[in-house]
Amino acid sequence: NAGVMQNPRHLVRRRGQEARLRCSPMKGHSHVYWYRQLPEEGLKFMVYLQKENIIDESGMPKERFSAEFPKEGPSILRIQQVVRGDSAAYFCASSPRTSGFTDTQYFGPGTRLTVL
Amino acid sequence: AQSVTQPDIHITVSEGASLELRCNYSYGATPYLFWYVQSPGQGLQLLLKYFSGDTLVQGIKGFEAEFKRSQSSFNLRKPSVHWSDAAEYFCAVGTPAGNTPLVFGKGTRLSVIA
Repeated sequence: NAGVMQNPRHLVRRRGQEARLRCSPMKGHSHVYWYRQLPEEGLKFMVYLQKENIIDESGMPKERFSAEFPKEGPSILRIQQVVRGDSAAYFCASSPRTSGFTDTQYFGPGTRLTVL
Repeated sequence: AQSVTQPDIHITVSEGASLELRCNYSYGATPYLFWYVQSPGQGLQLLLKYFSGDTLVQGIKGFEAEFKRSQSSFNLRKPSVHWSDAAEYFCAVGTPAGNTPLVFGKGTRLSVIA
């Protein structure tokens, strides 16, 4: 059973470009969480999605960031007009059940975004 | 809102020595507590979790953690460290209702020397 897959693993963008990060959850998992990890920092929650629904986006910046988890296909974290401060590692996690945040979350390897 | 503190940024231990990583939390009731490990360039892997019951929790890879309500702590321990344990360790706190995001500490980086 394949784990959580994220691509690309490394992404370089120039300021003002768009970044699209993809996350394919583990088979049978219908819940996806996105986190951001800045250097020397722990993970910060961004958004929690279920298929076709955003459950909790309390950690998402109000502008330029959006996320979706369509009925078919991977979850997408989209960052428009990237700035240098967006440089970070972005992790996706998935879980199978409906116990919310305390479900065991299985993490992907992350996408390391560098903004030049 | 809950919070978590990992007082040690970096710890170095000799292979075969015992290990204790500290984690202190702040939450008004009994929290749900987690320890994750992150190897270089990898995602996080759950080592163990505490929800209720026995305050000494066994995890994978020979790790254990003890919940101490009086000290608001959930320290991670291993009796004999292996070189492969070198990684970043994160403590996280959640709420029993499961309706608020996990809050992660800033992590403790473990180095293992021969």
